[in-house]
Amino acid sequence: AQTVTQSQPEMSVQEAETVTLSCTYDTSESDYYLFWYKQPPSRQMILVIRQEAYKQQNATENRFSVNFQKAAKSFSLKISDSQLGDAAMYFCAYVRGLGSQGNLIFGKGTKLSVKP
Amino acid sequence: NAGVMQNPRHLVRRRGQEARLRCSPMKGHSHVYWYRQLPEEGLKFMVYLQKENIIDESGMPKERFSAEFPKEGPSILRIQQVVRGDSAAYFCASHYTLTDPEAFFGQGTRLTVV
Repeated sequence: AQTVTQSQPEMSVQEAETVTLSCTYDTSESDYYLFWYKQPPSRQMILVIRQEAYKQQNATENRFSVNFQKAAKSFSLKISDSQLGDAAMYFCAYVRGLGSQGNLIFGKGTKLSVKP
Repeated sequence: NAGVMQNPRHLVRRRGQEARLRCSPMKGHSHVYWYRQLPEEGLKFMVYLQKENIIDESGMPKERFSAEFPKEGPSILRIQQVVRGDSAAYFCASHYTLTDPEAFFGQGTRLTVV
């Protein structure tokens, strides 16, 4: 069975600094997607970034980027120039690839605090 | 195009009552997933539905829980005879097609059992 592990229950970063959130996963599939979701206190799940396993290039979305290490099954999220609005729970998630049932498997999350 | 709509946002039920949670997927989306989030936990898959069909309910408790997605109207997650352990946030997510992995989430329903 696929699993997703986030080993950092809480992280803290100074405003304008950079922080990296860790995620590892376990799967025997070769085709899959990985995601980072942000959950602010409003509870809304917001997609931050996605990575297709077949792509070697790391995904980037503005201040957010990932370090995808397929052989190591590692998928970390880097937030640059941290802002107060980045404070939230962050969840790493996995889903099997094309043509399969697409239920997401989530890690337990990392609570990110941003200090002014 | 409205997002995924869930209602109610907050629901309080006494032990033994029934809870009905509603989810209207994004327009044109025909795949709905329900997830449950316990306190301090990530979301856990419960059930996957297409219109008029339950595709996978492997994550749903065998008793007291049921789900439907009728031809017309929202998807419903129904919990009968609620217990304190059912207190959680329940999210639905919709996909446009099965091969599109991006899930669009509603804001969730916070169920509190007193």
